Amino acid sequence: QSALTQPASVSGSPGQSITISCTGTSSDVGSYDLVSWYQQHPGKGPKVMISEVSKRPSGVSNRFSGSKSGNTASLTISGLQAEDEADYYCCAYAYSSTFDGYVFGTGTKVTVL
Amino acid sequence: QVHLVESGGGVVQPGRSLRLSCSASGFTFSNHGMHWVRQAPGKGLEWVAVIWYDGSNKYYADSVKGRFTISRDNSKNTLYLQMNSLRAEDTAVYYCARDGVDYYGSSLYYFDYWGQGTLVTVSS
Repeated sequence: QSALTQPASVSGSPGQSITISCTGTSSDVGSYDLVSWYQQHPGKGPKVMISEVSKRPSGVSNRFSGSKSGNTASLTISGLQAEDEADYYCCAYAYSSTFDGYVFGTGTKVTVL
Repeated sequence: QVHLVESGGGVVQPGRSLRLSCSASGFTFSNHGMHWVRQAPGKGLEWVAVIWYDGSNKYYADSVKGRFTISRDNSKNTLYLQMNSLRAEDTAVYYCARDGVDYYGSSLYYFDYWGQGTLVTVSS
């Protein structure tokens, strides 16, 4: 399984909206609505922001939203805040005749200008 | 609250073995599948392995299959990762993560809680 493709970096000014894409294949992103997104600040463990493509776990700000079209999932952060500056990873469940597990994206560094 | 604490990391020579542990608290450990995820220095996340809530099924990334073994002891609320034949490319921070489940205990295929990680360095 190859890593899902994300842009290396995305930036925006406070208050703006940004979108991070996550492109996979018909064996992972395109097969199931089982894409999740994780935020990671330097030196910290990841934190889930979105599960099952678009569901926000309890405690996650409603400024975070997710969607999917075909083999590409997206994470949108609206009303960008300084605390949103972090690395973001998508993850998808993948299944084939030779694989049953999870694939992460390459990661996107979000910078708040 | 949910708490996951990894331990057992350190410096090990190539070809040697190491066992990681993840101590869980704040939830019913035996109700959740558990994962290991790793992150090489300055790199992205890589899923390593999963074990079902009762230990009945285990799945691995191709990069570790045949060398790593995931296991659990539900009586001790502890998850393990036995790592054999270690290579330089196994150098990473290893995180344990809990599998998110629904009301009925079915997996939702995401990681809802993570530990802080333990660093494994494979070097001669």
